[in-house]
Amino acid sequence: EVQLVESGGGLVKPGGSLRLSCAGSGFTFSSFSMNWVRQAPGKGLEWVSSISPNSDYIYYADSLKGRFTISRDNAQNSLFLQMNSLRAEDTGVYYCARGSYGDYEYWGQGTLVTVSS
Amino acid sequence: DIQVTQSPPSVSASVGDRVTITCRASQGIGSALGWYQQKPGEAPKRLIYAASSLQSGVPSRFSGSGSGTEFTLTISSLQPEDFATYYCLQQNSYPLTFGQGTRLEIK
Repeated sequence: EVQLVESGGGLVKPGGSLRLSCAGSGFTFSSFSMNWVRQAPGKGLEWVSSISPNSDYIYYADSLKGRFTISRDNAQNSLFLQMNSLRAEDTGVYYCARGSYGDYEYWGQGTLVTVSS
Repeated sequence: DIQVTQSPPSVSASVGDRVTITCRASQGIGSALGWYQQKPGEAPKRLIYAASSLQSGVPSRFSGSGSGTEFTLTISSLQPEDFATYYCLQQNSYPLTFGQGTRLEIK
């Protein structure tokens, strides 16, 4: 059974940093592109970032302006999102999803990030 | 960047009704569009991929159509468990873009 489990969310002050993790199991992690999608409270879905199986190709939403960095460790079956210079508008649930080019068949349950003083 | 406009923002319908949701892309994307269902407190669930292919396990009352710039998701006969929010996602090029969402409510 494919499972994606996010962790690392929490409360952080504006300007602070947070590192999210997503642990994959039940599939060959190194064979799939992985992604982050977020959802602000009461709002719609927003694609954040994607990384190819070997980290050769990485994409980010324009709105992030270089503050976020996606990475992965295939040996540990893990996906990461390093978030710096956090703002109130970064508050929301962050989901990891498996698949390439928006073909997201499997999603994690999400981890909540709250940016507030 | 490709913009996606989803309509309507909300729709009120009854069990047994037929409902159609539309997404329009700002430029042609072929068949590179998927549809997702999200219920409160849950992760999104893929319903349709490649514009018209039904995800395994999804009831056949869900169908997708369209290509180029205009796409539709149709639910042929609403069931109680279908009341949720629906999103389209253009998959043609980065940055990927979701539609604004359509909230399907019980009349």
